[in-house]
Amino acid sequence: DTGVSQNPRHKITKRGQNVTFRCDPISEHNRLYWYRQTLGQGPEFLTYFQNEAQLEKSRLLSDRFSAERPKGSFSTLEIQRTEQGDSAMYLCASSRQFDTEAFFGQGTRLTVV
Amino acid sequence: GESVGLHLPTLSVQEGDNSIINCAYSNSASDYFIWYKQESGKGPQFIIDIRSNMDKRQGQRVTVLLNKTVKHLSLQIAATQPGDSAVYFCAEIPPGGGADGLTFGKGTHLIIQP
Repeated sequence: DTGVSQNPRHKITKRGQNVTFRCDPISEHNRLYWYRQTLGQGPEFLTYFQNEAQLEKSRLLSDRFSAERPKGSFSTLEIQRTEQGDSAMYLCASSRQFDTEAFFGQGTRLTVV
Repeated sequence: GESVGLHLPTLSVQEGDNSIINCAYSNSASDYFIWYKQESGKGPQFIIDIRSNMDKRQGQRVTVLLNKTVKHLSLQIAATQPGDSAVYFCAEIPPGGGADGLTFGKGTHLIIQP
């Protein structure tokens, strides 16, 4: 396991469609985070899991956004009824429970047309 | 609201020179600061961190300085190389927070001129 893996790397979708992204964290990390990054900005925290429990989701951007981590390993982030404003890089990161250092994946670049 | 920000959006330096990237933070209670490097098309990569009870920390070719009096953070990169070209973000974590509390600034694009 060489790092955090995200799929797909790029996704182009039509407005109104649903999209789902997958993140596979570093195997011994029990915390998993989702961030969104728009051009020229730093990553913006969305939500995180400790094992399978979603401990923070109030910062998800709208009720169209949801995330799951059913078995405490990989996670998915779903955006329903995509809008052009959802176009961004979606980053996943993982860490051990009490570590402040989070390791990021390469992200999924979403383009909504 | 309180936020982490950066003074300069773009910094251009000659290869081999030293570079200094600055960051201003406004949450005086922040406990922990991290510098990340992000290359084009990649996720942020941890470079170096510093706790609020320290004022300097050195790594390999990098030094982070923390001035709590003026709430200023800087990243010094010695003898810059082409591979140092990237966007650099500072990030802060509030007291008691973990990586879920990471708040990133806007970023500085470092360009290394040959």
